[in-house]
Amino acid sequence: DAGVIQSPRHEVTEMGQEVTLRCKPISGHNSLFWYRQTMMRGLELLIYFNNNVPIDDSGMPEDRFSAKMPNASFSTLKIQPSEPRDSAVYFCASSLGARLAGGGDTQYFGPGTRLTVL
Amino acid sequence: GEDVEQSLFLSVREGDSSVINCTYTDSSSTYLYWYKQEPGAGLQLLTYIFSNMDMKQDQRLTVLLNKKDKHLSLRIADTQTGDSAIYFCAKSGGKLIFGQGTELSVKP
Repeated sequence: DAGVIQSPRHEVTEMGQEVTLRCKPISGHNSLFWYRQTMMRGLELLIYFNNNVPIDDSGMPEDRFSAKMPNASFSTLKIQPSEPRDSAVYFCASSLGARLAGGGDTQYFGPGTRLTVL
Repeated sequence: GEDVEQSLFLSVREGDSSVINCTYTDSSSTYLYWYKQEPGAGLQLLTYIFSNMDMKQDQRLTVLLNKKDKHLSLRIADTQTGDSAIYFCAKSGGKLIFGQGTELSVKP
């Protein structure tokens, strides 16, 4: 199993540019989560999907951020326009999304995308 | 609201036991988790415990759950320098609620 795959691993861009982060969840997982991690704010949940439908986007900072999940094997997080304060590590995670005996809420994280906005 | 609290730092000597503590405010969770994050890496699931259990042991790791006090702990026996990382506790509920993370430093 390849685990959760994220791309790119590192992104450096200039303020005002559009940034697109990509995620491929573990095959068979029904829930997908986007997190942001910074020194100041720690780990923040931005949005999560269940069966490709956004369930809770209350963590999305503002309208510059948008996320999509067009199918069960792919999701994107887009920032347009990007700002220096968006610099962070962005993680994608997936889970089975069901209350199974083995811990259906267990989330498996990707390696993250380190975003630097100059 | 839901809250998960951890102390921020813990320093131990190699070979000693480490105990990382976590408290939470809402007791309706089904599962509680411990994740490990090494520098520059994502969060790695270490172990989890079902809320009707008191203890779970997995090799050098022991998880203790006190539901009455809403307290979760992770004990690492014979701590090694490779255990140096940030440890997050989390509680379930559709989405996971994470603590701030405890940075464990292991000195030789």
